[in-house]
Amino acid sequence: AQRVTQPEKLLSVFKGAPVELKCNYSYSGSPELFWYVQYSRQRLQLLLRHISRESIKGFTADLNKGETSFHLKKPFAQEEDSAMYYCALSTYNTDKLIFGTGTRLQVFP
Amino acid sequence: DVKVTQSSRYLVKRTGEKVFLECVQDMDHENMFWYRQDPGLGLRLIYFSYDVKMKEKGDIPEGYSVSREKKERFSLILESASTNQTSMYLCASSSSGRVGAGELFFGEGSRLTVL
Repeated sequence: AQRVTQPEKLLSVFKGAPVELKCNYSYSGSPELFWYVQYSRQRLQLLLRHISRESIKGFTADLNKGETSFHLKKPFAQEEDSAMYYCALSTYNTDKLIFGTGTRLQVFP
Repeated sequence: DVKVTQSSRYLVKRTGEKVFLECVQDMDHENMFWYRQDPGLGLRLIYFSYDVKMKEKGDIPEGYSVSREKKERFSLILESASTNQTSMYLCASSSSGRVGAGELFFGEGSRLTVL
């Protein structure tokens, strides 16, 4: 069965420190991976997707098929990055997303 | 801007009551989804719909049903609410017509408390 694992419930860093939010998936086919973010009192929204290969708000994520991972990284965290982050997986030819359990990122001043 | 609107932000119901959660999207999206969001469990898919009058079970459909009579509206129904259905319910929509999943646009959520 397809699954997304986010091992950390909470990640706390100081402003300016590097951040890596971990995401591992299980799927034997060709996956499509996403990161969604929910800021305080805002709706859940797409942050980035692996096929776009772009950096959004300084965040990047690389799909590593060998390690079945899609970790989210940012070299210098900002206080406004504090939010709940969800990794999500879509399997071939489906519009359905499978979400992980989420990681709360806290960035202290 | 895509807008997904959930009619009720907060509801308090009693065990055994029938509960309707309504969701409307204004971007002519084919796909609509209902998730529940619980701390430590993330988002779990309850039901989804690819077209009018079409529905498919997600990962946790037990105790829920859905209705999609019009393209823009997707309703989640709890036939007989139970305390373990206390949760945040998120509606989402996306467009189809491409390989793989499109971006999901979420509503603000409906927080349901069942006493």
